[in-house]
Amino acid sequence: KQEVTQIPAALSVPEGENLVLNCSFTDSAIYNLQWFRQDPGKGLTSLLLIQSSQREQTSGRLNASLDKSSGRSTLYIAASQPGDSATYLCAVLNEKLTFGTGTRLTIIP
Amino acid sequence: DVKVTQSSRYLVKRTGEKVFLECVQDMDHENMFWYRQDPGLGLRLIYFSYDVKMKEKGDIPEGYSVSREKKERFSLILESASTNQTSMYLCASSPAGPLGANVLTFGAGSRLTVL
Repeated sequence: KQEVTQIPAALSVPEGENLVLNCSFTDSAIYNLQWFRQDPGKGLTSLLLIQSSQREQTSGRLNASLDKSSGRSTLYIAASQPGDSATYLCAVLNEKLTFGTGTRLTIIP
Repeated sequence: DVKVTQSSRYLVKRTGEKVFLECVQDMDHENMFWYRQDPGLGLRLIYFSYDVKMKEKGDIPEGYSVSREKKERFSLILESASTNQTSMYLCASSPAGPLGANVLTFGAGSRLTVL
């Protein structure tokens, strides 16, 4: 059974800093990995989808990397802004889509 | 701007009531999904549908049913609401293909409280 872990559960960072969010998974035989953002009381917004054959994907200030062999993905956020405050979730696809429980990110102005 | 719209953002129901949660998407997506999200448990798949009138059980279908009479609309039904169904319910859609193979677009969520 696939298990997806996101540590830490919460993170506070001063505005302007670069930061990395982590996602670990136990079964490396995945098809893809997605990163989502969730604002309080809202639904999820897809940020990046990395196919298993890819090593990374970039969108603006966001860069997601994937290392299947080690069962890890990271989401790098450059030059953080208060608007980046949200919960970030990763989801891994093998025979089913399994979500992590997220990292709640707070950017301190 | 493409959207997944959930008709009710907040609902309060009593134990035993029948509850309908409606979801409409305007992207002509084939796949639609219902998840529930609970603290510490993450998102869990209740049901999904890959075509009109087609449905498949997810991980936690007990106590729920679904209806998909039109491509754009996917309804979640709680036949007899119970307090352990108090949760945030999230609808999502994606283009045709295996579950999770394509980007999921989520609605804003429906927070249901059962008293």
